[in-house]
Amino acid sequence: NAGVMQNPRHLVRRRGQEARLRCSPMKGHSHVYWYRQLPEEGLKFMVYLQKENIIDESGMPKERFSAEFPKEGPSILRIQQVVRGDSAAYFCASSRWGTLGDTGELFFGEGSRLTVL
Amino acid sequence: SQQGEEDPQALSIQEGENATMNCSYKTSINNLQWYRQNSGRGLVHLILIRSNEREKHSGRLRVTLDTSKKSSSLLITASRAADTASYFCATIIQGAQKLVFGQGTRLTINP
Repeated sequence: NAGVMQNPRHLVRRRGQEARLRCSPMKGHSHVYWYRQLPEEGLKFMVYLQKENIIDESGMPKERFSAEFPKEGPSILRIQQVVRGDSAAYFCASSRWGTLGDTGELFFGEGSRLTVL
Repeated sequence: SQQGEEDPQALSIQEGENATMNCSYKTSINNLQWYRQNSGRGLVHLILIRSNEREKHSGRLRVTLDTSKKSSSLLITASRAADTASYFCATIIQGAQKLVFGQGTRLTINP
């Protein structure tokens, strides 16, 4: 049973370009969370999605960032017109029942490290 | 704003010693979880303690929760070099549907 798969693992973009990060949750999981981590810091919540729905996007910057989790295919975190401050590790996590479920445990991918030149 | 605050930010001990990390949080919670992150890797769930529990064990891990003080501790006994990692506490705020992480404790086990 494959874990949470994120790709690409490393992505380099120049300022103004677009970055697309993909996340395939664990089999049977329909809840996906995206987090951002700056070096030597904790994880900052960005967005929580279920299939075809955004449940909580309170951590998403208002501009340039968007996320989706379509009925078929992986979840996508899209960053338009990247700036140097977007350089970070972006982690995706999934769960079967959501954080209000019995355990609330999240399963994390290995992250996508974005570098903006 | 961060819900959880870990203390200390960094901890360095000798192999075989016990390591204790603390976490404080601000609001009422459903449960509190601890995760480990090896350098350059994703987070791995270690243990969960519910708000009506006071102590929980898993192998060399012991977690306590004091809801009156809004604090938790993670104890790793008989530490090993492989325990070197960052450790994060995370909470689910009552009424919310997201896991909120603290800043983490960077633990170094010296051989």
